Amino acid sequence: GAVVSQHPSRVICKSGTSVKIECRSLDFQATTMFWYRQFPKQSLMLMATSNEGSKATYEQGVEKDKFLINHASLTLSTLTVTSAHPEDSSFYICSASPDPSNYGYTFGSGTRLTVV
Amino acid sequence: TQLLEQSPQFLSIQEGENLTVYCNSSSVFSSLQWYRQEPGEGPVLLVTVVTGGEVKKLKRLTFQFGDARKDSSLHITAAQPGDTGLYLCAGVGWDYKLSFGAGTTVTVRA
Repeated sequence: GAVVSQHPSRVICKSGTSVKIECRSLDFQATTMFWYRQFPKQSLMLMATSNEGSKATYEQGVEKDKFLINHASLTLSTLTVTSAHPEDSSFYICSASPDPSNYGYTFGSGTRLTVV
Repeated sequence: TQLLEQSPQFLSIQEGENLTVYCNSSSVFSSLQWYRQEPGEGPVLLVTVVTGGEVKKLKRLTFQFGDARKDSSLHITAAQPGDTGLYLCAGVGWDYKLSFGAGTTVTVRA
């Protein structure tokens, strides 16, 4: 159980365009999901907390107008990278848990974004 | 500033050897987790440790949590090429947010 699906796995886009990444909890409901980015050979950095039915909370230094998060249902959160630039190229990963006080987090398989 | 310090950053050993990865925190978290990540994939949870002094075993992997709940170690016995990957420790905050260490890249040569 506790499966998290992320789509797409890879995307290449042109500078200035926007890209949407989806994160779905397949067999549980998640009121909270987390979005991370990971640069090559580095660790995961938390970008934002996605809250179902309310605004996302962003970590310090993360531009909320650039990384739009929508958590419209208990099984789906989306991250939209707006007006993408080459420096936004990274590995984006989401995570969720059916009950964070009793279960660990399940991570999606990640999205490799390349902006050209 | 990284709240969790992991060492070593890289580890390359021969199949059959043992290895230990360390994770030290400047803060006390509600619990600490260890993950393993393969290239192009998301991290996979290996274990959660909660109680100071706790020891958990998962086949050839042994996890220890320090008495003060600020340090942890992962020991792999008789490493195999399939153990190759990025090992990450993560502190679980009281708000359930994860803070990751920088990771240890383990390579086990056949």
